[in-house]
Amino acid sequence: AQSVTQPDIHITVSEGASLELRCNYSYGATPYLFWYVQSPGQGLQLLLKYFSGDTLVQGIKGFEAEFKRSQSSFNLRKPSVHWSDAAEYFCAVGAFDSGTYKYIFGTGTRLKVLA
Amino acid sequence: DAGVTQSPTHLIKTRGQQVTLRCSPKSGHDTVSWYQQALGQGPQFIFQYYEEEERQRGNFPDRFSGHQFPNYSSELNVNALLLGDSALYLCASTNRGATEAFFGQGTRLTVV
Repeated sequence: AQSVTQPDIHITVSEGASLELRCNYSYGATPYLFWYVQSPGQGLQLLLKYFSGDTLVQGIKGFEAEFKRSQSSFNLRKPSVHWSDAAEYFCAVGAFDSGTYKYIFGTGTRLKVLA
Repeated sequence: DAGVTQSPTHLIKTRGQQVTLRCSPKSGHDTVSWYQQALGQGPQFIFQYYEEEERQRGNFPDRFSGHQFPNYSSELNVNALLLGDSALYLCASTNRGATEAFFGQGTRLTVV
């Protein structure tokens, strides 16, 4: 079965510190991978996506993610966190299932940034 | 390009009532999917519409139904509302076979 696991429910970092959010997926075929950010009461904003090619992908707001097929992981990183990065982050895999393409989301990681 | 638009943005309903949520897909898209995001959870796939037919359904009861119109817009209907139906409902559009969907800002439904 297809699934996405985000092991960290909450993460707290100090402003200016580096950040890594973990994401592991289970999917039998080549995955299409996404990271979204959601501020309170808002919809989803796409940070970055991986379809194929270079396994290190760059996104908006200074975020990057690395696809590691051997570890079934797609971890999100940022070298220096800003207070405005406090939000909830969702990893998702795009999967074809009986001809239908849909997203499977993880349960999210809530990021808190300390001043 | 207006992107994916959903209406209304917020609404409050009473248990047992029925609600209809609306979605206009991004220009050029023909496939609409609906997701439910309960508080503190990731979005969960409800169902997908293409060519005015439901193509696949997630693990949601028959109280959840939908429709797609000839202009590709879609409605999500929920009957006999329960408190547990309170959630953010997200609409996503794409083209059949494409691998990136575009999400609307969602409709926040509160059932009291």
